[in-house]
Amino acid sequence: KQEVTQIPAALSVPEGENLVLNCSFTDSAIYNLQWFRQDPGKGLTSLLLIQSSQREQTSGRLNASLDKSSGRSTLYIAASQPGDSATYLCAGGETNQAGTALIFGKGTTLSVSS
Amino acid sequence: GAVVSQHPSRVICKSGTSVKIECRSLDFQATTMFWYRQFPKQSLMLMATSNEGSKATYEQGVEKDKFLINHASLTLSTLTVTSAHPEDSSFYICSARKNRVRIDTQYFGPGTRLTVL
Repeated sequence: KQEVTQIPAALSVPEGENLVLNCSFTDSAIYNLQWFRQDPGKGLTSLLLIQSSQREQTSGRLNASLDKSSGRSTLYIAASQPGDSATYLCAGGETNQAGTALIFGKGTTLSVSS
Repeated sequence: GAVVSQHPSRVICKSGTSVKIECRSLDFQATTMFWYRQFPKQSLMLMATSNEGSKATYEQGVEKDKFLINHASLTLSTLTVTSAHPEDSSFYICSARKNRVRIDTQYFGPGTRLTVL
């Protein structure tokens, strides 16, 4: 059964720093890997979606990579800002009895201080 | 585009009552909708997948008679928590996908905070 792990669980950085969030998954048979942002008490905002055939995706200051062979994905945030403070979730897409499912990690809670 | 709404955003109920949560895709037709629950400091756990016009497929360990899911139209799915108990208190989030192609992204609703007294 697919397990998704995110390290670290929490991270505090000063504004302007570049940072990397890590995600690992146990089953390489994922069809995509997604990164989401969740603000306290809110739903999820999709940040980046990497298909299994892709190696990375970029959006603004965000860059996500996928290495299926090692079971890892990273989310790189450049020049962090206080507005980036949130919980970041990664999720691996896999096939299940219903067709498809997203398996989520517990998230990394990021705090960017000004 | 691709906005998903949930109603209510927050509900408090007494133990033993039933609670219905609505999930709507506002500007697209969702052939597939998903229901998740999230406990504090925990990841989202998929409860069930529903395709429009079909019975929902529940994940292992989720009681289908307790968590009733109806996906009667391409823009609406409902989750009814029957005979709710305090242990059902959680954050329930739905998501919707435009088609059944698995590579398509899911769009998430804002969530519903359920508190059972």
